[in-house]
Amino acid sequence: EVQLVESGGGLVKPGSSLKLSCVASGFTFSSYGMHWIRQAPKKGLEWIALIYYDSSNKYYADSVKGRFTISRDNSKNTLYLEMNSLRSEDTAMYYCAKSPVRRVSFDYWGQGVMVTVSS
Amino acid sequence: DIQMTQSPPVLSASVGDRVTLSCKASQNINKNLDWYQQKHGEAPKLLIYYTNNLQTGIPSRFSGSGSGTDYTLTISSLQPEDVATYYCYQYNSGPLTFGSGTKLEIK
Repeated sequence: EVQLVESGGGLVKPGSSLKLSCVASGFTFSSYGMHWIRQAPKKGLEWIALIYYDSSNKYYADSVKGRFTISRDNSKNTLYLEMNSLRSEDTAMYYCAKSPVRRVSFDYWGQGVMVTVSS
Repeated sequence: DIQMTQSPPVLSASVGDRVTLSCKASQNINKNLDWYQQKHGEAPKLLIYYTNNLQTGIPSRFSGSGSGTDYTLTISSLQPEDVATYYCYQYNSGPLTFGSGTKLEIK
């Protein structure tokens, strides 16, 4: 059974940093692209970052480019999102999601982790 | 960026109704479109990929169609468990974008 479990969220002040983790199980993690997607309270979904299976390519939404970094450790079956210079508008539920082969869809999602940026 | 416009924002229908949700892209997305269902308090779930392909485990009352800029999700016979917000999503070109969602309610 595919499982994605996020952690690392919490309440932080504007301008601070936070690192999210997503531990994967039930599939060969090193073979699939992975994403971070977020959802602000009572708002829609926003894709924010993609990393290829081998970390050869990374892509970001303009809203987080230069502030957030996606990475992965295939030996630990873990996806990361390092978030710097956090703003109030970064307050959201953050989901990690797995891509199927040859398609940039999201076939499995984690349960999400909440990040709140507030003074 | 490709904008995805979903209509209507809220849809109220009765159990057993045939329901159609619409999604319009700001440019041709070559059928590179998925539909996701998000129930209250849960993570989204993939329903339909590449316009009209049913994800494994999804009931056959869900179907998708479309081409070019116009896409639809159809539920052939609405069930109480289908209450959710439905999002379309395009992956034809970056940045990857979702529609704003259609909230489906039971009348």
